[in-house]
Amino acid sequence: ETGVTQTPRHLVMGMTNKKSLKCEQHLGHNAMYWYKQSAKKPLELMFVYNFKEQTENNSVPSRFSPECPNSSHLFLHLHTLQPEDSALYLCASSRTGSPMVKLFFGSGTQLSVL
Amino acid sequence: AQSVAQPEDQVNVAEGNPLTVKCTYSVSGNPYLFWYVQYPNRGLQFLLKYITGDNLVKGSYGFEAEFNKSQTSFHLKKPSALVSDSALYFCAVSLPNRDDKIIFGKGTRLHILP
Repeated sequence: ETGVTQTPRHLVMGMTNKKSLKCEQHLGHNAMYWYKQSAKKPLELMFVYNFKEQTENNSVPSRFSPECPNSSHLFLHLHTLQPEDSALYLCASSRTGSPMVKLFFGSGTQLSVL
Repeated sequence: AQSVAQPEDQVNVAEGNPLTVKCTYSVSGNPYLFWYVQYPNRGLQFLLKYITGDNLVKGSYGFEAEFNKSQTSFHLKKPSALVSDSALYFCAVSLPNRDDKIIFGKGTRLHILP
């Protein structure tokens, strides 16, 4: 158990659906991240929030909309996705500004877009 | 821009033999370098990191990595492989002034043969 919880673990959605992924951490970290994992591709950094402010948006299409209401919770709102968006979506958190910086990952949400 | 290259999709090693998983990086400035491991149906777990100092870094489960600035490499090593080391290994890089932007490679699948 890493202290980072993602729900749901699996999600199947049609291209016209709207759904949300949820991530929660109780580690006291100030930064939270969304990564996309596709087979044989680099782990893709999507969004970063640091003290609830978005500090990174890695040219992610607008059909992905992040929300960070506080330092413990992170959401990824999905709408009108494409089949190529099917992937494992990983949430992570960290305490920045320290030499001990490292990411703690959740187990991910396996998303299938039909 | 930061980038990480892991040139091997898969590495096969016999149990008991030494293993090496390769990583090279491209970044402007002095990097923070990391290795993470992913077991099936799990998120990534931190193995080790290089921040500064001794070029040989020791981490979890008997793994170590050597930072080579002239070759911009950070190869992961272990003197004697175990079957339980079989997993997906990711190399990552960040900069000290942006430790909330951690960029990963595509991963190398390590297969230890009994």
